[in-house]
Amino acid sequence: QQQVKQSPQSLIVQKGGISIINCAYENTAFDYFPWYQQFPGKGPALLIAIRPDVSEKKEGRFTISFNKSAKQFSLHIMDSQPGDSATYFCAASKSNYQLIWGAGTKLIIKP
Amino acid sequence: KAGVTQTPRYLIKTRGQQVTLSCSPISGHRSVSWYQQTPGQGLQFLFEYFSETQRNKGNFPGRFSGRQFSNSRSEMNVSTLELGDSALYLCASSLGSGSADTQYFGPGTRLTVL
Repeated sequence: QQQVKQSPQSLIVQKGGISIINCAYENTAFDYFPWYQQFPGKGPALLIAIRPDVSEKKEGRFTISFNKSAKQFSLHIMDSQPGDSATYFCAASKSNYQLIWGAGTKLIIKP
Repeated sequence: KAGVTQTPRYLIKTRGQQVTLSCSPISGHRSVSWYQQTPGQGLQFLFEYFSETQRNKGNFPGRFSGRQFSNSRSEMNVSTLELGDSALYLCASSLGSGSADTQYFGPGTRLTVL
């Protein structure tokens, strides 16, 4: 019940395309869903986060879509750029507990 | 503000040895969390310290321990190293405790156990 399942493991997208990464969770008590971006040699950095009271959150080219009934959330990167090539992690938690992380998606944007 | 710093960046040890990793959080941050990152496994939570007290602990054996000092700097110790301990160890700091506070990660310490 504590798992967060992330897919796909790797993803190749053409420059200008839409990148979509999906995550599923089981624990209905989770109330915080962040996405982190990690470049080689760096630690992860918070990209965007959502709480279950909204179904979508957009920040620039990055959008989280949240489906509470399906217990799924996804990251959409519009107009993907080579600089977006990185590993993306979804995570989930309930208040004041540690984040439970997905296994990561290695995204490559082809020029 | 300076970011989270971790030392050393790289370590090579042999089985059975012990190792201590250090993390300096962002100034003013009182919470430090430690994670183990291995390929394909994502980030596995080790423990969190807030104001020198361990607040949360993950499912790791007792060989993994940590502490936090009064200046919020934290150390993580792994005793009796095993080959499977080879990983990137990340430290993250946040203003307060609780996962909803944004965590800022350091670059990690790459530990190789031979």
